[in-house]
Amino acid sequence: EVRLVESGGAVVQPGGSLRLSCAASGFTFDEYTMHWVRQAPGKGLEWVSLITWDAGSTYSADSVKGRFTISRDNTKNFLYLQMNSLRTEDTALYYCAIEKFKYFQQWGQGTLVTVSS
Amino acid sequence: EIVLTQSPATLSVSPGGRATLSCRASQSVSSSLAWYQQKPGRAPRLLIYDAYTRAAGIPARFSGSGSGTEFTLTISSLQSEDFAVYSCQQYHTWTPGRYTFGQGTKLEVK
Repeated sequence: EVRLVESGGAVVQPGGSLRLSCAASGFTFDEYTMHWVRQAPGKGLEWVSLITWDAGSTYSADSVKGRFTISRDNTKNFLYLQMNSLRTEDTALYYCAIEKFKYFQQWGQGTLVTVSS
Repeated sequence: EIVLTQSPATLSVSPGGRATLSCRASQSVSSSLAWYQQKPGRAPRLLIYDAYTRAAGIPARFSGSGSGTEFTLTISSLQSEDFAVYSCQQYHTWTPGRYTFGQGTKLEVK
């Protein structure tokens, strides 16, 4: 069974940092491009960042570029999102997801990040 | 950038009824459209990809149609577990950083 379990969400002050993790199991992790997608309260889904299977390429949305860094550990089957210089508008439920042909085949349940003073 | 507009924002349908959800693209996305179901506290679930292909394990009461700029997700004989938020995503015009979603349609019990 494919499982994606996010963790690391918390309440943090503006300007703070947080590292999200996504534990993957039930599939060959190092064969897939992985993503972070977020959803702010009452809003639609927003793509955040992706990393290719071998970590050879990463891309991020303009809204997080220069502040968020995606990474992965294929030996441990973990995906990460390092978030720095957090803003109130980064408040959202953050999901990790497996990509298949540019759509999202499987998602985790999400971890909540709240940026507030 | 392609914009996806979903309508209506909220749809009220009785259990056992039929729901028709719309997703309109600002320019043609061919058949490169996916639909997802979201429930509070649950992982979003892929329902449909390539506009009309049901993902593995998705019941036949879910069907997708359309191409170009107009797409429809139809749920026939609504079950209690079908009341949720539904979002569309296009992947026809793809460049890094350009995954786009619609804003979602909330399907609620009438």
